[in-house]
Amino acid sequence: DVKVTQSSRYLVKRTGEKVFLECVQDMDHENMFWYRQDPGLGLRLIYFSYDVKMKEKGDIPEGYSVSREKKERFSLILESASTNQTSMYLCASDGQPRSNTEAFFGQGTRLTVV
Amino acid sequence: GENVEQHPSTLSVQEGDSAVIKCTYSDSASNYFPWYKQELGKRPQLIIDIRSNVGEKKDQRIAVTLNKTAKHFSLHITETQPEDSAVYFCAASSTFGNEKLTFGTGTRLTIIP
Repeated sequence: DVKVTQSSRYLVKRTGEKVFLECVQDMDHENMFWYRQDPGLGLRLIYFSYDVKMKEKGDIPEGYSVSREKKERFSLILESASTNQTSMYLCASDGQPRSNTEAFFGQGTRLTVV
Repeated sequence: GENVEQHPSTLSVQEGDSAVIKCTYSDSASNYFPWYKQELGKRPQLIIDIRSNVGEKKDQRIAVTLNKTAKHFSLHITETQPEDSAVYFCAASSTFGNEKLTFGTGTRLTIIP
């Protein structure tokens, strides 16, 4: 069974805290993605990675950074959390560059910044 | 970059009737168009996809059509059932360049028993 696992289902953090969201996939996928999901705005891409130590900005990278030290793990970092980063965060992975295969999502992390 | 618009944002249909969700895209280089279904409290899951070399694809009660000239694609669900109630997302990407998926804003489909 395909697995993309996010480290937390729910998180509550204070404004200004540094926040780490972790994502692990066990499918040996090349590509990994971080999205945020907000009502009425759909899924918006924050950052993605095609390979270890590689990262690309998505559509809304401001206030975020990422780390991919190992192929199976992709971390999203909020350097200084703010209330407008309260959202549902979804990690995803898919198979091969240049091939457009099915993306598998994690269960999501609902982050609340107070 | 790519821009995907999706309509309607909400849709209610009687059980047994058909539902249609429409999306348009802006980048003529896009050549892959998946649809994801997200049930309440669950993760999005792929239900059907279409590539630019075909105009229509069916899988039981669901079908997707693609009009490359007009840059739009649609999801059709026939004989709707209560378990079809969910949020549906269309997306577009290209195998040229960085092939990231750009999603529409979602359609909340409610099936009325």
